[in-house]
Amino acid sequence: RKEVEQDPGPFNVPEGATVAFNCTYSNSASQSFFWYRQDCRKEPKLLMSVYSSGNEDGRFTAQLNRASQYISLLIRDSKLSDSATYLCAVTTGNQFYFGTGTSLTVIP
Amino acid sequence: DGGITQSPKYLFRKEGQNVTLSCEQNLNHDAMYWYRQDPGQGLRLIYYSQIVNDFQKGDIAEGYSVSREKKESFPLTVTSAQKNPTAFYLCASSMGNRGIRNEQYFGPGTRLTVT
Repeated sequence: RKEVEQDPGPFNVPEGATVAFNCTYSNSASQSFFWYRQDCRKEPKLLMSVYSSGNEDGRFTAQLNRASQYISLLIRDSKLSDSATYLCAVTTGNQFYFGTGTSLTVIP
Repeated sequence: DGGITQSPKYLFRKEGQNVTLSCEQNLNHDAMYWYRQDPGQGLRLIYYSQIVNDFQKGDIAEGYSVSREKKESFPLTVTSAQKNPTAFYLCASSMGNRGIRNEQYFGPGTRLTVT
């Protein structure tokens, strides 16, 4: 079983839509959780950390559900510039695990 | 500017040649990592190092070697034993055990093509 699993998509949404991604993790001892954004042929960039209480950064909201072992990313009012691949990541001990990414295309 | 640098951005080699990819960071991070990414696929861990002069194999270490002689530097050598070396190579660093959340930050990557 993979440490982290994501729906690869693709998600194609119209501009202005709200879109949500989920990511499940297998180890209940995982401590820290993150969302990264990766543009085509570029490196992943940290989008936001995910806190137990949930956190918001502008149009982006991240949630953690420890009981069900998943994290989520909600993007409101999607912009064309949000088109990218979104990777979730978790740490378990000293290990860092990435999901394979979910592809998002925002359509005009 | 603080950050992680990788050079070169693009690298072309003939099959059978060893090649070394550079990774330098000035973030005072303890831990450094090498990943490989193939088209349409996720990140796969090659090697990582939590402290100077120590490193561990990741999931796909065969055909690769690393060194960590300085905190700032973690070069990766792709040897001729690596059967499919053409890929996008990403270096990352984190605070390691000193960090609370231990988020990783990535360099811009090196795109290696072996023909």
